[in-house]
Amino acid sequence: AQKVTQAQTEISVVEKEDVTLDCVYETRDTTYYLFWYKQPPSGELVFLIRRNSFDEQNEISGRYSWNFQKSTSSFNFTITASQVVDSAVYFCALSEAGTGNTGKLIFGQGTTLQVKP
Amino acid sequence: DTGVSQNPRHKITKRGQNVTFRCDPISEHNRLYWYRQTLGQGPEFLTYFQNEAQLEKSRLLSDRFSAERPKGSFSTLEIQRTEQGDSAMYLCASSLLRTTNEKLFFGSGTQLSVL
Repeated sequence: AQKVTQAQTEISVVEKEDVTLDCVYETRDTTYYLFWYKQPPSGELVFLIRRNSFDEQNEISGRYSWNFQKSTSSFNFTITASQVVDSAVYFCALSEAGTGNTGKLIFGQGTTLQVKP
Repeated sequence: DTGVSQNPRHKITKRGQNVTFRCDPISEHNRLYWYRQTLGQGPEFLTYFQNEAQLEKSRLLSDRFSAERPKGSFSTLEIQRTEQGDSAMYLCASSLLRTTNEKLFFGSGTQLSVL
């Protein structure tokens, strides 16, 4: 069965520290997509990244970077030099191409990140 | 267009009452999704539309729930005879499915409290 696990419920760091949010997934599909979303207190889910299962290249976008490793079924997210504005709940999600509905996302439970000044 | 719009932002109702939420997707987006999020959990898929056709419904969507998307534009989600367990954030998302590179844009949600 498909599942996404974010083992870290809450993380607290001091501004400028680096922080890594862990994500482990389970799927039987060979073609799937992995996502990270940010949910600030306003409630809106903000898209951060989408990766497909055939692209294991790591990606960097400014202070954000993602490490996708199929061998360990992990898709971890690192924020470098964290800032107070990074404080939010972060969700990792999975969708499977085999369902024919790639917008049907399976979310993890989320990791609450608090960045203190 | 500023994004996916949901109304109302908050709804408080008494158990047994009916409620209806509205979602206005991003213009030209052909897919529209409803998700439900309870406190401390990730969102869970409820249903989705491609244009005006409702193509899939989750087992989470009991008979008291009904969703529509007339004319393939805005969508409504109605809950009849609300129960306290229906209290949650109801999120709407839309996407433009042209290739396999589907990306969902979410609204800010409707927070439902059933007393």
